[in-house]
Amino acid sequence: DTAVSQTPKYLVTQMGNDKSIKCEQNLGHDTMYWYKQDSKKFLKIMFSYNNKELIINETVPNRFSPKSPDKAHLNLHINSLELGDSAVYFCASSQDRWGYEQYFGPGTRLTVT
Amino acid sequence: QKEVEQDPGPLSVPEGAIVSLNCTYSNSAFQYFMWYRQYSRKGPELLMYTYSSGNKEDGRFTAQVDKSSKYISLFIRDSQPSDSATYLCAMTGSGSSNTGKLIFGQGTTLQVKP
Repeated sequence: DTAVSQTPKYLVTQMGNDKSIKCEQNLGHDTMYWYKQDSKKFLKIMFSYNNKELIINETVPNRFSPKSPDKAHLNLHINSLELGDSAVYFCASSQDRWGYEQYFGPGTRLTVT
Repeated sequence: QKEVEQDPGPLSVPEGAIVSLNCTYSNSAFQYFMWYRQYSRKGPELLMYTYSSGNKEDGRFTAQVDKSSKYISLFIRDSQPSDSATYLCAMTGSGSSNTGKLIFGQGTTLQVKP
């Protein structure tokens, strides 16, 4: 059983399109995260939700909007995609909001052409 | 200057070597220190985490924290080709200094040659 799963694994789309990435965790964790990993492997947090409440909202373009329908799911919607959005997006979860032990999903490789 | 600095490598060693991976940081509020391993095209996987200064050992892996120097290390003994991956350090504060946000280093790519 996959602990943290993401769909899709690969996403190729054109500039200006809108796309969504979905994440689910079956660990019973309270907190979920979205990270962006650029081509240099630098991993940066974007958002975090604790029990459906947004607790971390880093400086990202407002074209990015997270949504947490319940504590096991966290989705990321991106409007008007740009070339610079090309990256690998990782979902993660942790037992609590302090985030000492985070479990990552397999990633979604987004390519914007 | 980044809060966490990590040499991206690549670092290439022969099988059986002892590997030393390091990170330096600037924020003295950091109290929790993690090491993640990331295989190519996979998600990061938590190897171990330590609180404050000292050593922690888990099998062939030893994590070391020197808060006075703001320097952390991960040692891998008897390295194997299966250890070939990118190793990311991460850290955060505790108590009122914990924002729930992990700050990652850039990662060091390790290749262990048979």
